[in-house]
Amino acid sequence: GAGVSQSPSNKVTEKGKDVELRCDPISGHTALYWYRQSLGQGLEFLIYFQGNSAPDKSGLPSDRFSAERTGGSVSTLTIQRTQQEDSAVYLCASGRGPPYEQYFGPGTRLTVT
Amino acid sequence: TQLLEQSPQFLSIQEGENLTVYCNSSSVFSSLQWYRQEPGEGPVLLVTVVTGGEVKKLKRLTFQFGDARKDSSLHITAAQPGDTGLYLCAGESGNTPLVFGKGTRLSVIA
Repeated sequence: GAGVSQSPSNKVTEKGKDVELRCDPISGHTALYWYRQSLGQGLEFLIYFQGNSAPDKSGLPSDRFSAERTGGSVSTLTIQRTQQEDSAVYLCASGRGPPYEQYFGPGTRLTVT
Repeated sequence: TQLLEQSPQFLSIQEGENLTVYCNSSSVFSSLQWYRQEPGEGPVLLVTVVTGGEVKKLKRLTFQFGDARKDSSLHITAAQPGDTGLYLCAGESGNTPLVFGKGTRLSVIA
């Protein structure tokens, strides 16, 4: 079946603009995660959706970051008033379990100029 | 806060050598997963271990979960250039999100 897809694959934006990043998880997966990865670094957890439970937003770095998951499927990560330090690869993963093995999308490379 | 420490952080070896990378924590996990990430791609799940003391083999890769379910190791036999990548361990505990280590960046030189 289809894997996790993300769009766009690359996004260049000017400082101060808002951006939306989209994630289409694997059908039937109840869990969805967003991570951020800076060049040469590990994964930074951002937010976690599990079924109908309230999302775990403990990793969001500021109130400029928000995410929603509609109908338990597609998710959108929104960054408002982008800053240069927001430049990174944003990865989405979905899974079901336990154990909640994660299946990652290819990522969106965000560059803020 | 649960933390997973991975070591070494970087490893550069010649083709054909053996290597072991480690993933350690003071916390107990219900399962531990290993992922490999190649440049420009998302991480790919290699294995999940759930039982203390469990050993799993995937071709030249051997994964072990510690008896106390606090640590894990990944051993690669006769490394090949195709093994190059970032190796990440991740621990699962209850309903909290997976905790990822910072990774071991492996380079295998032909």
